[in-house]
Amino acid sequence: NAGVTQTPKFRILKIGQSMTLQCAQDMNHNYMYWYRQDPGMGLKLIYYSVGAGITDKGEVPNGYNVSRSTTEDFPLRLELAAPSQTSVYFCASSYYRESEEQYFGPGTRLTVT
Amino acid sequence: ELKVEQNPLFLSMQEGKNYTIYCNYSTTSDRLYWYRQDPGKSLESLFVLLSNGAVKQEGRLMASLDTKARLSTLHITAAVHDLSATYFCAVDKSGSRLTFGEGTQLTVNP
Repeated sequence: NAGVTQTPKFRILKIGQSMTLQCAQDMNHNYMYWYRQDPGMGLKLIYYSVGAGITDKGEVPNGYNVSRSTTEDFPLRLELAAPSQTSVYFCASSYYRESEEQYFGPGTRLTVT
Repeated sequence: ELKVEQNPLFLSMQEGKNYTIYCNYSTTSDRLYWYRQDPGKSLESLFVLLSNGAVKQEGRLMASLDTKARLSTLHITAAVHDLSATYFCAVDKSGSRLTFGEGTQLTVNP
């Protein structure tokens, strides 16, 4: 099992550019999540999905979009990147909510200049 | 709005000493998670606490949950350098959403 994988590891964007952060898991987990972690802070939930075709907003969804067409993949789209989106982005997954911890990917470090 | 507060935020301790990290949360929940993060790395699950009075131990770390007090503790026994990391608690709000504390940056000095 590769677990949760994320690409790219690092990316620098110019203001106004767009990009997609990729996330995949091979554990057949139903639930998937996107978080951002700003320096010295905890994680904040951007979007989550409870299964293919179902997504919902988290705490900080503005400026982002997601889709979940398969169980395995959960890409995060940034449209019109802004400096405030400079952060480390983590994708996570869990089998189902009750009693299961979330498994985290290695993260994508994004800088918007 | 659920708030999760950890203290202390920074902890420097000597090897061999004991200490406790506290995690307070503002609304009712009976699911609490502890994670460890090494610098520049991802998060690793340490403990899952699912009911009032739950206690779990792994090596030099022990976590407990008091849902009535809305408090979880992470106790470190006889600290060693390898425990240096940032520790996060996270509370299950609802609908699969975790709210994280700010983290406690632990440094264990020889």
